Amino acid sequence: NAGVTQTPKFRVLKTGQSMTLLCAQDMNHEYMYWYRQDPGMGLRLIHYSVGEGTTAKGEVPDGYNVSRLKKQNFLLGLESAAPSQTSVYFCASSWLAGGPSETQYFGPGTRLLVL
Amino acid sequence: AQSVTQLDSQVPVFEEAPVELRCNYSSSVSVYLFWYVQYPNQGLQLLLKYLSGSTLVKGINGFEAEFNKSQTSFHLRKPSVHISDTAEYFCAVIRAGGTSYGKLTFGQGTILTVHP
Repeated sequence: NAGVTQTPKFRVLKTGQSMTLLCAQDMNHEYMYWYRQDPGMGLRLIHYSVGEGTTAKGEVPDGYNVSRLKKQNFLLGLESAAPSQTSVYFCASSWLAGGPSETQYFGPGTRLLVL
Repeated sequence: AQSVTQLDSQVPVFEEAPVELRCNYSSSVSVYLFWYVQYPNQGLQLLLKYLSGSTLVKGINGFEAEFNKSQTSFHLRKPSVHISDTAEYFCAVIRAGGTSYGKLTFGQGTILTVHP
């Protein structure tokens, strides 16, 4: 199993450009999450999904959109990138069955620099 | 809502010395507690978690943590660290029960640096 993979690993954008980050998991997990990691702030939840075709806002959703058309994929979109979105983005997934006690499995991250 | 405070942003320690990384949390409801580790240029992986029962939880790589409900703490310890333990450690909480949808609240992280 590859686990959770993220594409791309690194990207540089100019202000106003758009891009999509792809997360894929092969563990048949129902729940998927997008976090951003900034120095001294830990990880903050951007959006999450509890199943195919469903998405919901997390703690810091502004400026981002998501889609989950297939159970194994969770896409994070930036329509008009801003320097404040410079960050490391992590995707994670987990089982539904165990509820909140379930372990989240993380991808390796995408480093995004917005100039 | 829940919140997590990791009391030390950086902890330097010599190899084979003991270490404690401190975590306090705030919540008006019961929570589950987690410690995740992030090695350089990698994603996070679970070290250990407290759900219920014994307040001393053992995890991977010789780490353990103790849940203290009265002090709302969940400190991580290791009796003898190795160079390979150099990483950033995150404490996290989630509301127990209900429909939390797995939404973890993370602390700010503690960078553990082990020196030879």
